[in-house]
Amino acid sequence: EPEVTQTPSHQVTQMGQEVILRCVPISNHLYFYWYRQILGQKVEFLVSFYNNEISEKSEIFDDQFSVERPDGSNFTLKIRSTKLEDSAMYFCASRDGRVDTQYFGPGTRLTVL
Amino acid sequence: SQKIEQNSEALNIQEGKTATLTCNYTNYSPAYLQWYRQDPGRGPVFLLLIRENEKEKRKERLKVTFDTTLKQSLFHITASQPADSATYLCALDPSGNTGKLIFGQGTTLQVKP
Repeated sequence: EPEVTQTPSHQVTQMGQEVILRCVPISNHLYFYWYRQILGQKVEFLVSFYNNEISEKSEIFDDQFSVERPDGSNFTLKIRSTKLEDSAMYFCASRDGRVDTQYFGPGTRLTVL
Repeated sequence: SQKIEQNSEALNIQEGKTATLTCNYTNYSPAYLQWYRQDPGRGPVFLLLIRENEKEKRKERLKVTFDTTLKQSLFHITASQPADSATYLCALDPSGNTGKLIFGQGTTLQVKP
């Protein structure tokens, strides 16, 4: 069964450094999402992406964040200058547009020191 | 204010019993509601979606109900097994068409043999 994959599974970085989290959505899907989950808290929406542009973003998704679909398969989340409070699990999700179900990846654990 | 709430206390039940989890929402009018399972350190896994015009939906041992008057969804697992132990999340799309999901904080279910 097709699934969303994410790399790396764990990323450790120093505060102020840039990180890029990578996702490969399910191949025929058209809608892509990033969510994050701080330890012990709710899963929170960050951004949705369709037709090569952002369709919606949350208040969390400020100028330090950007997303890109550099080719036909990858979907990336960049954090330009990481802060301690960016430490969280980051989940990528995708859906095909015909149904409302979103399929989530296994997540990248980001630790900012 | 808008809220989506699940029982924050863990639910402990004996194997073979039916587990019932509750999701209440306030100041939303979702077209559908979704239930996900999340294991520790993993991404949410889609279980069921129920639309506003559906009262009940079933999948194997799982059953979901949706009461738009009470603004509540109930999630049942019948004949529960220790392997059902996980955190269960409800989620809704406030706009009904963007796919942005708002999650509850989840209820942790522990099924004891």
